Order: sequence, then structure tokens, then C-alpha cells
Amino acid sequence: QSALTQPASVSGSPGQSITISCSGTSSDVGRYNYVSWYQQHPGKAPKLMICDVSNRPSGVSNRFSGSKSGNTASLTISGLQAEDEADYYCSSYTSSTTLVFGGGTKLTVL
Amino acid sequence: QLQLQESGPGLVKPSETLSLTCTVSGGSISSSSYYWGWIRQPPGKGLEWIGSISYTGSTYYNPSLKSRVTISVDTSKNQFSLKLSSVTAADTAVYYCARQGGVGATGGSDYWGQGTLVTVSS
Repeated sequence: QSALTQPASVSGSPGQSITISCSGTSSDVGRYNYVSWYQQHPGKAPKLMICDVSNRPSGVSNRFSGSKSGNTASLTISGLQAEDEADYYCSSYTSSTTLVFGGGTKLTVL
Repeated sequence: QLQLQESGPGLVKPSETLSLTCTVSGGSISSSSYYWGWIRQPPGKGLEWIGSISYTGSTYYNPSLKSRVTISVDTSKNQFSLKLSSVTAADTAVYYCARQGGVGATGGSDYWGQGTLVTVSS
């Protein structure tokens, strides 16, 4: 199975909004509403930020939102804060009953 | 508060079998609402799903690792385990265990262990 495609890096200034894309295929992102997004700070375990395309787990800031169009899912972070600087990964369930991750995106807050 | 903790050797020799156990505390592993998974991350690289198991023992594996991976569950100990055979340096990574929601491990992983670094070297 091929990894989902994410941009290697994105950046934004405090207070701005950024969007990270996650491109898959009709066998994963495009087929199921089972896309998740994770935030990972250096040396830490990933943290679930979005599940099922657009659902925020309890305790996750409403500055984080998810969406999907066709074979591409997106994570939007509004009102960027310094603490948002981290690596972000998307994942999707696939038609082969497996999970696949994206390559990860490094977010820099300028 | 649910907690997951990985345990096992931090150093494994090439061609040998990597064995890790994840102990779940603060909740029962025997829930039909969740799967229990292993994910790894080579140093400086991205996340890779290894496989998942239900408390009944139903498993799903990454096709690229399937021939070398066995995941098992011990409900009496509230643990699940990973065995990866014939390891090479490419298997050097931080290994995480995690709880996955949804039917058939379709949901996100909301609880993670802290991760354990396993180095493959002679």
C-alpha cells in the first residue's frame, strides 16, 4: 500500500490560518470517511486531533478542523499559535482493511 | 485514565525476532468498541502502521510486513503483544502501541503509549 501524500512543510504566522492536504485514492481517502489527523511534537507520542474526517475528540481545540473532497482530506488550523508548531500526520482506512499514514507535514509558526 | 505502556528489549540482533508487549491499565482491553494497534516510526521518519488486533484475536496487518508479523492478545493480563521476525537495521524504530476506535480498527487512535526505541544491531 502506498503512503498518503502530504506536503513536506507548511508555515504561517501567529493568528493566521493554514491548511494541510492529504491526498489518497478511491481505495482509501475517497472511499471511506475514516480519515484521522495526528499532531506530534518532538520526542512525544502522536496525539489524535481529528477522526472520521471532521470529528474533534474531547479536549481538542476548535481551532482545528477537518474536511474531505474526493480523494483529498484537509486539516485546517485557524488562529495559529506557537504551540501548534509540530509534525502532522493523516491516516486513512483502506479497502484492503488496513490503515495507511501520510508522510507527515512539518508546521512552522513564523 | 487509560494508559498504555510498551515493554521489551531495546536492542535486537539482525535476523532475530523483535518482541514487545503493551500493558493496558485504567481500563479493560476486552471491549468490542476498540482495536489495539502497533505503529512504528524510524528515527527522523514518518509513522508506519504495523497491525491491529481485537480482544477476540481478530487481526489486520500491514501487507508489507505481514509475512514477518504476529500480534496476539492476552485478555487475562490486559496485554497485547508484537512479534516481528527476521529483523534488519531497517526495523530500527520507536514502536508505539495504541488504542483504535471504530469497527475493524477504522477509527482514530486516541490513546498511545510513550513509545519504545528498538535498535537492530549486532
